[in-house]
Amino acid sequence: GQNIDQPTEMTATEGAIVQINCTYQTSGFNGLFWYQQHAGEAPTFLSYNVLDGLEEKGRFSSFLSRSKGYSYLLLKELQMKDSASYLCAVREGNYQLIWGAGTKLIIKP
Amino acid sequence: ETGVTQTPRHLVMGMTNKKSLKCEQHLGHNAMYWYKQSAKKPLELMFVYNFKEQTENNSVPSRFSPECPNSSHLFLHLHTLQPEDSALYLCASSQDRGEPGEQYFGPGTRLTVT
Repeated sequence: GQNIDQPTEMTATEGAIVQINCTYQTSGFNGLFWYQQHAGEAPTFLSYNVLDGLEEKGRFSSFLSRSKGYSYLLLKELQMKDSASYLCAVREGNYQLIWGAGTKLIIKP
Repeated sequence: ETGVTQTPRHLVMGMTNKKSLKCEQHLGHNAMYWYKQSAKKPLELMFVYNFKEQTENNSVPSRFSPECPNSSHLFLHLHTLQPEDSALYLCASSQDRGEPGEQYFGPGTRLTVT
């Protein structure tokens, strides 16, 4: 079956580093996306991985291992504004994204 | 207007009402999507349109009826809804060619069925 797992909630301290994991089991794979969603707002695109390895984008990095069905989002130098939900999604074909339920990240001063 | 817009932002309707949600994208994309987002659940894809043609319909009840008159506009017509249909309804668009083809979301319509 299709399944994407990510932790429900994580807490981290301002200025620290946090890693949000995502494991997936899907019938196809055509890329993995990470989105950020602040409370009451729309999801916004953060990163995309289609090949194994690390993609770095400023304070955010995303890693993919297709053989393990595993990805993580790494957030460095955490800021209070990083408090949000982080959604992992796998694209199976051309359009269909299978979504995880999201990880709520709480940043404490 | 830029990006993806949705109206109304909030909607309260009775189970016997008929209403429509509107989405418009100003990004020149040719794929548009309707999602349902309920608390603590994954986003549920409802419908996908590519070049105005419906390409996905994920077993959505017939009380939800989509309409895509052109590549920039998408509607979701609602009738005889149930209280469990209360949720955030998100519209998104994407380019169907090239990588990564990420989806851009509108702000959503918060729907409450009474």
